[in-house]
Amino acid sequence: QQQVKQSPQSLIVQKGGISIINCAYENTAFDYFPWYQQFPGKGPALLIAIRPDVSEKKEGRFTISFNKSAKQFSLHIMDSQPGDSATYFCAASSYYGSSNTGKLIFGQGTTLQVKP
Amino acid sequence: KAGVTQTPRYLIKTRGQQVTLSCSPISGHRSVSWYQQTPGQGLQFLFEYFSETQRNKGNFPGRFSGRQFSNSRSEMNVSTLELGDSALYLCASSLTLDRVTGELFFGEGSRLTVL
Repeated sequence: QQQVKQSPQSLIVQKGGISIINCAYENTAFDYFPWYQQFPGKGPALLIAIRPDVSEKKEGRFTISFNKSAKQFSLHIMDSQPGDSATYFCAASSYYGSSNTGKLIFGQGTTLQVKP
Repeated sequence: KAGVTQTPRYLIKTRGQQVTLSCSPISGHRSVSWYQQTPGQGLQFLFEYFSETQRNKGNFPGRFSGRQFSNSRSEMNVSTLELGDSALYLCASSLTLDRVTGELFFGEGSRLTVL
């Protein structure tokens, strides 16, 4: 019940296209859903995050869509650029349901390649 | 301001040895978390500290331990190393334990290779 399932494992998109990465979770106590971006040799960095009280959040070219009833959320990267080539991780956290801890449960990651 | 600093960045050990990894959080951050990253298992939570107290521990054997000092710096130790412990160990710091109000900032990791 603690798992977060992420797909696809890898994704190749042409420059200017839309990249879509999907995640699904089981634990209804999760109340915070971030996406992290990781470049080779670097640690993950927070990209965008959403809480279950909204269905969509947009920041620049990055949008999270959230479907609470389906327990799914997805990351859309509009106008994908070669500089977006990285590994993307979805994650979930439950603060109040876990004895006051900020533990993140990560998906398996998606390696995105944007071709020029 | 300076980010999360992890040392050493790379290290090679042999089976049976032990290793200590260090993490200096962003100034003012009191929460430090550790994650193990491997190609097969992805990012897995090891433990989390806040104000020198371990607040949560992941599903790792007792060979994995950690601590946090009064200046918020943290160390993790792995004893009796096994080949499967080869991984990138990531430290992350934040202002608070609550992820909503306390963004996690990751370091670049310590790459451990066990031979």
